[in-house]
Amino acid sequence: AQSVSQHNHHVILSEAASLELGCNYSYGGTVNLFWYVQYPGQHLQLLLKYFSGDPLVKGIKGFEAEFIKSKFSFNLRKPSVQWSDTAEYFCAVNADTGGFKTIFGAGTRLFVKA
Amino acid sequence: IAGITQAPTSQILAAGRRMTLRCTQDMRHNAMYWYRQDLGLGLRLIHYSNTAGTTGKGEVPDGYSVSRANTDDFPLTLASAVPSQTSVYFCASSELSGPYNEQFFGPGTRLTVL
Repeated sequence: AQSVSQHNHHVILSEAASLELGCNYSYGGTVNLFWYVQYPGQHLQLLLKYFSGDPLVKGIKGFEAEFIKSKFSFNLRKPSVQWSDTAEYFCAVNADTGGFKTIFGAGTRLFVKA
Repeated sequence: IAGITQAPTSQILAAGRRMTLRCTQDMRHNAMYWYRQDLGLGLRLIHYSNTAGTTGKGEVPDGYSVSRANTDDFPLTLASAVPSQTSVYFCASSELSGPYNEQFFGPGTRLTVL
């Protein structure tokens, strides 16, 4: 069955530090990949997505993610985090398994110290 | 402002009681979803609807039912609530039900079953 693993459940960084959040999925076929973000007290919103083409995708607020097919990974990165990036980040995968249901990872809580 | 509304915002419920969580979207999206969010488990799909008049089971459907009488509304019913259904419930929608489905989320309903 499809699964999505996010390696870090909690990450604490200081402002201006670089961020990389890991995401691996288990499905070997064609996948569509998403990162969603949930800021404190707010609902989930799309950060970025990958369907095809350039494996390095750029999203809002300076975030980017790289799809590495050979590693089944879609890691999220940001060169320099800000206090306002404090949030929970969810990786999600939608695969052509016949149901096209989106599977979410368990989430990574990021806390950025000012 | 277009989007998804959920009601109630929060609810404390006695075990054994029946409860319906409401979800309405005004984006004319075909597909709608119900997720529950639990710490360490991320978002898990309860039920979904690819279009009005159809519904399907997600990852954790037991104890829940849904209906989709029209495009805009997708209520989730707990027939006889149990404490393990304590969670935050998110309704979401997407324009289409296929693999490129960016999902838009509502603000959530925090449910506590005692």
